[in-house]
Amino acid sequence: EVQLVESGGGLVKPGGSLRLSCEASGFTFRNAWMSWVRQAPGKGLEWVGRIRSKTDGGTTEYTAPVKGRFTISRDDSKNTLYVQINSLKTEDTAVYYCTTELVDLFDYWGQGTLVTVSS
Amino acid sequence: DVVMTQSPLSLPVTLGQSASISCRSSQSLVYSDGNTYLQWFQQRPGQSPRRLIYKVSNRDSGVPDRFSGSGSGTDFTLKISRVEAEDVGVYYCMQGTHWPWTFGQGTKVEIK
Repeated sequence: EVQLVESGGGLVKPGGSLRLSCEASGFTFRNAWMSWVRQAPGKGLEWVGRIRSKTDGGTTEYTAPVKGRFTISRDDSKNTLYVQINSLKTEDTAVYYCTTELVDLFDYWGQGTLVTVSS
Repeated sequence: DVVMTQSPLSLPVTLGQSASISCRSSQSLVYSDGNTYLQWFQQRPGQSPRRLIYKVSNRDSGVPDRFSGSGSGTDFTLKISRVEAEDVGVYYCMQGTHWPWTFGQGTKVEIK
């Protein structure tokens, strides 16, 4: 059974940093392309960025509002996906989900971790 | 960015009746490989999103056959036949053809 468990969220001041993790199980993580999607409170879904498998180059893409501030990485030895978030802004307040691309886009989702940016 | 426009944004339905959600994209979603990367997601209250349909009309494993997707180019539809209480939630379409990938605003389905 595919499982994705996010962690690392919390309350951070504007300008601060945070690293979110997503521990994966139930599939061959090293072969999977993974994404982060976020959802601001009471709002819709926004794709944040994606990382390919190392076999496919391990490259990343990001949506414009987070480019330069967010860095997605992976540790295949730990079956874990990360996103390092720097220079946090109040508009980054959201639940952050990790999601898989096993059969097409976003087929499995974690339960999410809440990031609150407030002074 | 490709804009995904859903309608209606709120959809009250009677149990047992059918419901349809429209999703229109600002550009054709046909990719260079011939596929159309249009997905539908369900988000029940308090839960994570769940994919229902991928590439327009392919139903995910475990999704009841009451859910069906159709459409092409820029116009797509999610149909729920015989709505049940468990179908309450917000439904999102999403395009994975053009960077950045984008979602519709969501359609809230509720029981009358």
